[in-house]
Amino acid sequence: QVQLQESGPGLVKPSETLSLTCTVSGGSISSYYWSWIRQPPGKGLEWIGYIYYSGSTNYNPSLKSRATISVDTSKNQFSLKVTSVTAADTAVFYCARTQMYSYDSSGYPHWYFDLWGRGTLVTVSS
Amino acid sequence: SSELTQPPSVSVSPGQTASITCSGDKLGDKFACWYQQKPGQSPVLVIYQDNKRPSGIPERFSGSNSGNTATLTISGTQAMDEADYYCQAWDTSTALFGTGTKVTVL
Repeated sequence: QVQLQESGPGLVKPSETLSLTCTVSGGSISSYYWSWIRQPPGKGLEWIGYIYYSGSTNYNPSLKSRATISVDTSKNQFSLKVTSVTAADTAVFYCARTQMYSYDSSGYPHWYFDLWGRGTLVTVSS
Repeated sequence: SSELTQPPSVSVSPGQTASITCSGDKLGDKFACWYQQKPGQSPVLVIYQDNKRPSGIPERFSGSNSGNTATLTISGTQAMDEADYYCQAWDTSTALFGTGTKVTVL
């Protein structure tokens, strides 16, 4: 049974870089897309971006290029870095397996997030 | 703008039907997914491609999508269905989540 586990510091200082890793166990990271999604305390979900096991990426423009996702297939892990963090980046961060299931009438692909980690809270504070 | 709007809350009596709406510009031209999130837990996919249920999701969960509105319907609502529900769709290559709806089973 495939499981995802997020890991990383729970406290990051303002203006520094947030770094998290998601370890995939019970299955291979290959042949799938993998996403990072965050949820500020008491608020809704925000997709950060995804990476394919080959290394190709796609990001939410809302993060204004502060986010970078990378993959290490040898360790069955993928990672997230967010630079120049502020208190607004305080959130529970989830990693999720991302699977394409169809194309819409305009020819755009659609994915769903079918497997999630338990999430890790990252607080930005001095 | 690319936003998905949901009602903040929906209340339903046990055994009755709960309907949660998700509004967005030309949402019916895209596919909608729905996620259930219970307190302290990770979200769980309950509907994808407007009306398909993943394996293990009860038949009482159903969905539809037309025009500017997608709808999640929970028929015969049970106490265990009390949770936050989020719609989700893709705007070209960006995933959008709805604002979320808290379903309370009274």
